Amino acid sequence: GESVGLHLPTLSVQEGDNSIINCAYSNSASDYFIWYKQESGKGPQFIIDIRSNMDKRQGQRVTVLLNKTVKHLSLQIAATQPGDSAVYFCAENPPGNTPLVFGKGTRLSVIA
Amino acid sequence: DGGITQSPKYLFRKEGQNVTLSCEQNLNHDAMYWYRQDPGQGLRLIYYSQIVNDFQKGDIAEGYSVSREKKESFPLTVTSAQKNPTAFYLCASIYSQGAGKETQYFGPGTRLLVL
Repeated sequence: GESVGLHLPTLSVQEGDNSIINCAYSNSASDYFIWYKQESGKGPQFIIDIRSNMDKRQGQRVTVLLNKTVKHLSLQIAATQPGDSAVYFCAENPPGNTPLVFGKGTRLSVIA
Repeated sequence: DGGITQSPKYLFRKEGQNVTLSCEQNLNHDAMYWYRQDPGQGLRLIYYSQIVNDFQKGDIAEGYSVSREKKESFPLTVTSAQKNPTAFYLCASIYSQGAGKETQYFGPGTRLLVL
């Protein structure tokens, strides 16, 4: 029969508030991390990346934080807007010649 | 206009039929990937190719086949052996897998529906 998948976790925020989306990665030797945004019916789009020799990187309205001690990645979105409503995925680049490993995703819902 | 293109945007498959999804990139990327995404779920890797004429199975390769005859193209065939093909299919590419610290880019996706 058909398997039942887990629903994506959802984060609801008020327009104008800051959003924090979290991701736990699996491989302590991963050296590069990416956040993607996926709007409904579209392919994921690159938002921001960070290398393992950094613990913070800022873009336009977005900040990525990396905590290698606990293998945790977070994406902070400042002054969240309705256009930020989407599913957000983190991805890690494991050591060796292997494909990216993607997290399960978080759905961000912005309340106007 | 550079990037990754996928066609068609929507594809309908009859029972027992093989269908092929197209993925083309003009980014001069060596590595290409196919993912399957079910509603409300994450990405699952079907197949990937790091170089022309070579490809590897991903996590859910059963019922799918690929070819990589040209650097720019990585078509995916959904065979009749795939009993639950309804999903959103995403193609992606990267300049060189294993080099690390390189961004992977995605196409717009193809939604496959079974009649």
